[in-house]
Amino acid sequence: GAVVSQHPSWVICKSGTSVKIECRSLDFQATTMFWYRQFPKQSLMLMATSNEGSKATYEQGVEKDKFLINHASLTLSTLTVTSAHPEDSSFYICSASRSGGSSYNEQFFGPGTRLTVL
Amino acid sequence: AQSVAQPEDQVNVAEGNPLTVKCTYSVSGNPYLFWYVQYPNRGLQFLLKYITGDNLVKGSYGFEAEFNKSQTSFHLKKPSALVSDSALYFCAVRVLRGDDKIIFGKGTRLHILP
Repeated sequence: GAVVSQHPSWVICKSGTSVKIECRSLDFQATTMFWYRQFPKQSLMLMATSNEGSKATYEQGVEKDKFLINHASLTLSTLTVTSAHPEDSSFYICSASRSGGSSYNEQFFGPGTRLTVL
Repeated sequence: AQSVAQPEDQVNVAEGNPLTVKCTYSVSGNPYLFWYVQYPNRGLQFLLKYITGDNLVKGSYGFEAEFNKSQTSFHLKKPSALVSDSALYFCAVRVLRGDDKIIFGKGTRLHILP
């Protein structure tokens, strides 16, 4: 159990267009989903935390109007990169933490989405 | 503030030899510590975690890690390396916040030489 999927796995788009990435928890309900960005040969940088039914919390320096996050259900969160530019090219990874009564809810990671903006 | 450091960008180990990937942490309160592995163009795979209990934690693929409170370390180890262990390894620490945010180290690339 605890599988997280992402779609698409890779996408190429033209500069100025918008791209939507989906993150789904396949066999569990995820109260919280996280979105990360990873540049080549670098670590994961947390972009935002999204809780089902509420607005996402963005990390410092991340433009919320640029990276729109929607967490409409307990199994789906979407990240939309609006008016994408080449500098937005990156590997985007989501994770989901399982709902539950424990003091800590482990994160399960998706396989990532490679975005290339031409 | 919570942070985690991986002092080595790369570690090279001959196949069959023991391997260690280093991690030190800085947290306020009791640490929640994790190791993840990432293969090229893939997401992260969970290896193991320390929350409480025994200082030696056993995880996936024969990996283990030792929590050392006095040295604030959580080094990843494996007794006998395999070529297939070659990957990027991340140490992570939980930020003490209600939404379970975790912070990753910069990563250590492990090369197992045949």
